[in-house]
Amino acid sequence: DAKTTQPNSMESNEEEPVHLPCNHSTISGTDYIHWYRQLPSQGPEYVIHGLTSNVNNRMASLAIAEDRKSSTLILHRATLRDAAVYYCILRGNNDMRFGAGTRLTVKP
Amino acid sequence: EPEVTQTPSHQVTQMGQEVILRCVPISNHLYFYWYRQILGQKVEFLVSFYNNEISEKSEIFDDQFSVERPDGSNFTLKIRSTKLEDSAMYFCAGQSSYNSPLHFGNGTRLTVT
Repeated sequence: DAKTTQPNSMESNEEEPVHLPCNHSTISGTDYIHWYRQLPSQGPEYVIHGLTSNVNNRMASLAIAEDRKSSTLILHRATLRDAAVYYCILRGNNDMRFGAGTRLTVKP
Repeated sequence: EPEVTQTPSHQVTQMGQEVILRCVPISNHLYFYWYRQILGQKVEFLVSFYNNEISEKSEIFDDQFSVERPDGSNFTLKIRSTKLEDSAMYFCAGQSSYNSPLHFGNGTRLTVT
């Protein structure tokens, strides 16, 4: 799988939007961009995924750069429950490997 | 909503013993994965499984590890002779198609003493 790079940590205030970036400059044309998160003491959970177009669901939005070399996960209004490690993963070959992710801290 | 279930939730075993971790994916899942997470570290890919065979495995997945789907529902991870460093959370995941979301189980905490 192509490599992704994310900031180690980010902070946000409750009720404010959060933009979590991910760089994937070696992405291939058929790689889907997946985002997962891991809440404390829980297993990973799916957040959103996309290929080229921006995507919205009930949890978040995914903005994909035109050249697809980067993407941004957008949480529109962060809550305390959104404090987690967020992982950006490329789905290309037969594995889906997690990187170190971004630890999001939400302050009340 | 259907869930991926893993049993047991916690397994304690002695070094050198064999353990089998079990996963029941959602019925329409076709792709299956095992991951592990050592306490405080990142989620590590172990193996992917499709069409009754291993698709990909990581360097961690050595001869001590094996997977199978014996009855078309359960998906198991066997560690033949456990080591202390095998102590970790083990997560199973399933996918209904190549690019659909992964659904994770709640994990099995393996403690090797």
